[in-house]
Amino acid sequence: GQNIDQPTEMTATEGAIVQINCTYQTSGFNGLFWYQQHAGEAPTFLSYNVLDGLEEKGRFSSFLSRSKGYSYLLLKELQMKDSASYLCAVIDSNYQLIWGAGTKLIIKP
Amino acid sequence: IAGITQAPTSQILAAGRRMTLRCTQDMRHNAMYWYRQDLGLGLRLIHYSNTAGTTGKGEVPDGYSVSRANTDDFPLTLASAVPSQTSVYFCASSDSPSGSYNEQFFGPGTRLTVL
Repeated sequence: GQNIDQPTEMTATEGAIVQINCTYQTSGFNGLFWYQQHAGEAPTFLSYNVLDGLEEKGRFSSFLSRSKGYSYLLLKELQMKDSASYLCAVIDSNYQLIWGAGTKLIIKP
Repeated sequence: IAGITQAPTSQILAAGRRMTLRCTQDMRHNAMYWYRQDLGLGLRLIHYSNTAGTTGKGEVPDGYSVSRANTDDFPLTLASAVPSQTSVYFCASSDSPSGSYNEQFFGPGTRLTVL
């Protein structure tokens, strides 16, 4: 079967750095998305990786290793507004999007 | 309209009743999707449409039906609601030509409670 694993919940301190991991086992791979979802709101797009390596976008970076079936989202200079759930999603060989359950990130002052 | 809208925002429904959740986008995206989101389970695909006039089943299609008469609208119907359909429903769209995949844009969601 297809599976995406993320930690259920993480806690970090304002101003610090946090890394949210995502491992996947899917039938084929055509790319990986990270989305941010604040409580009670819709998911919003953060990043897309299809090649190995690091993609940087401001305070957020996303890394992909296709050989290891692994990605992470790195958030720097954490702000209270970064408290949200972070969803990892993989495009499989049939171009279906497989979603992880999400990681709830709690930021403390 | 800017982006993708859903109606109603929330609804309480008696079991056995019929309900249609509405979704409209103004981005001229070819692909549209319906998800349900339950605590601890993440987003699960109910139905999708790659282009107007076509639809397909997702991971959890039972008890739901969709239609795609035009590019902009993608309604989701619960023929006879049951309590297990209590969830938050998200509609999404993307500009995804065949053989590729672009980011999905989500509507604000509909919170449905079936009693």
